[in-house]
Amino acid sequence: DQQVKQNSPSLSVQEGRISILNCDYTNSMFDYFLWYKKYPAEGPTFLISISSIKDKNEDGRFTVFLNKSAKHLSLHIVPSQPGDSAVYFCAASASNYQLIWGAGTKLIIKP
Amino acid sequence: DSGVTQTPKHLITATGQRVTLRCSPRSGDLSVYWYQQSLDQGLQFLIQYYNGEERAKGNILERFSAQQFPDLHSELNLSSLELGDSALYFCASSPRGNTEAFFGQGTRLTVV
Repeated sequence: DQQVKQNSPSLSVQEGRISILNCDYTNSMFDYFLWYKKYPAEGPTFLISISSIKDKNEDGRFTVFLNKSAKHLSLHIVPSQPGDSAVYFCAASASNYQLIWGAGTKLIIKP
Repeated sequence: DSGVTQTPKHLITATGQRVTLRCSPRSGDLSVYWYQQSLDQGLQFLIQYYNGEERAKGNILERFSAQQFPDLHSELNLSSLELGDSALYFCASSPRGNTEAFFGQGTRLTVV
């Protein structure tokens, strides 16, 4: 039972345009959501997070939006840059401290 | 540099053998997680420890075990290794649990 789903295995975006990565979850107990970026053969690195009491969090080119009623969150990257090409993981946690991960979306930024 | 140290970086071993992977969390982090990433797969959560105690268990095989020591470093023991156990094994740490986790560079295990 996948509690965190990233339905798009890959996404291709033109450099300079907006990249939108999506994530859906099923567990209404999740109260903290995170996005990670991963390059091949490296550990994931934390990008941005959002608490369930908020609906938006922004950090530079990265913005995460949370729609609790739809159990959906998205990561917006604008403008997209070549170095943004990586696999992006969405993760969620509840009070039991366990991070539940999505399967990841591979983002390809085209020059 | 995330501050999480994993050793060894690479490990090649034969089927049926046993190996131990080591993780030193970031200073002050109480929570340690272990993950497995097989070829082109997503991250599979194996197990989490918090301040020396097992907190959560994921898809960890019975042939695998882990522990977190009083100094908070952690070891993942893999025994009776099979070819399918070849993967990248990541360790991550966080101050508690409901916060962002910081990952090590991983240990690449190859079973031949």
